[in-house]
Parts: sequence; C-alpha cells; structure tokens
Amino acid sequence: SQKIEQNSEALNIQEGKTATLTCNYTNYSPAYLQWYRQDPGRGPVFLLLIRENEKEKRKERLKVTFDTTLKQSLFHITASQPADSATYLCALGYGRDDKIIFGKGTRLHILP
Amino acid sequence: DSGVTQTPKHLITATGQRVTLRCSPRSGDLSVYWYQQSLDQGLQFLIQYYNGEERAKGNILERFSAQQFPDLHSELNLSSLELGDSALYFCASSVVNNSPLHFGNGTRLTVT
Repeated sequence: SQKIEQNSEALNIQEGKTATLTCNYTNYSPAYLQWYRQDPGRGPVFLLLIRENEKEKRKERLKVTFDTTLKQSLFHITASQPADSATYLCALGYGRDDKIIFGKGTRLHILP
Repeated sequence: DSGVTQTPKHLITATGQRVTLRCSPRSGDLSVYWYQQSLDQGLQFLIQYYNGEERAKGNILERFSAQQFPDLHSELNLSSLELGDSALYFCASSVVNNSPLHFGNGTRLTVT
C-alpha cells in the first residue's frame, strides 16, 4: 500500500545545531515533494518544493534533498533557533490529477 | 497572511446535522483543495477543484460533498454528522498544479 512516513517521535535539537527531518515514501512515484511548517492551531505554511529531477534545493537556512532511488527526502535546518520549533510536514504531488498527499509530520523542538 | 479565508473559524453542532464550510482562495489561484486534520490521522486529502471542475478525489465520505463556484470560492458540505467528523478542516489554494499550496487557518468542527 502507499505510505508516507515521517518520524512520529518529536525531535529535540540544541539551539545552533542542524536539525534533520526525514520523509520516506513507498509505492508512490511523485513528480515533486514539498515541505511545510505548521504551528498549533494554524494552517501549514509552504517552505520548499523540490522536483523529481532535482537533487537539492536551498533557501536561507533550509535545505531539502530528494532521492528517488531511496524514496526519501531529507529536510535540514541549519543554525537552528527556538523559533524554528514547530511541526514539519512533507507532501508528495503525484498522478495525472496532481493529488497532494501529506505525511503526519514531525514535531521539532529547538532547545535554548 | 496566506490570503486564503475560511469561515467560520469554529463550528459546534450535533450528530445528524449538516454544515457548510466556506473557503475563499488567494486572489488569482484557480485550484482549491480540502483537507481534514485530526490528531491521529494527520492531514487527509478530501477533494480538489480546478477552475470550477472537480479534479481529484481523496478519502472523501459519501456524506461529504464540495463545489467550486464561478467566482472560485468553494464550499464543503458535511451531512449526517458523526462524532468522528470532529476535526480541523483546511482549505488550500494554488495557482496551477505542481505549485505550492496556500492554506487558510481552518474551520474547527466539533460534533457533540
């Protein structure tokens, strides 16, 4: 069956370190993958999009990699700050009708 | 501010009732997506419209229906409500396929 898996355990990272979040998928052939940030009680906010023919994308302190062989995306936040604490969601876009399916998200806590 | 407006913010209703959730997409966006988010299930894709036409269907129950109007706003109708329908319902919009989603802040539905 089709699955998108993100680490369900919360991730605690010391301020200033790099946080790395993982998104694995099975039985999908996504055309692209997106990462979103969600704060409690708010809608997800788009961060980065990476297409199937791209290996890496960067935006300021954020970096995303996409390995279609491993069926995995890694999301990195460098020089992490307490304000980066939130839930991070990965989403796959696939199919001719462009369905966008989300993982359950990983809660990230940056400790001061 | 994402530019996506959802009303109402909160809705409390009884089992068996019917409610309508409303979404105004970001100016210029033609696609509207509806998602349901509960604590244990994460963001579940319900349905997508593009320029007034249904484009993709996800795990939408037969008791639920949606439409997108000529002015591009969308409504999600939930009927014969059950306790398990209590959740946050998000609307998102995008310009075209394969582009980032812009989410509203959701409608929190409580069925008692």
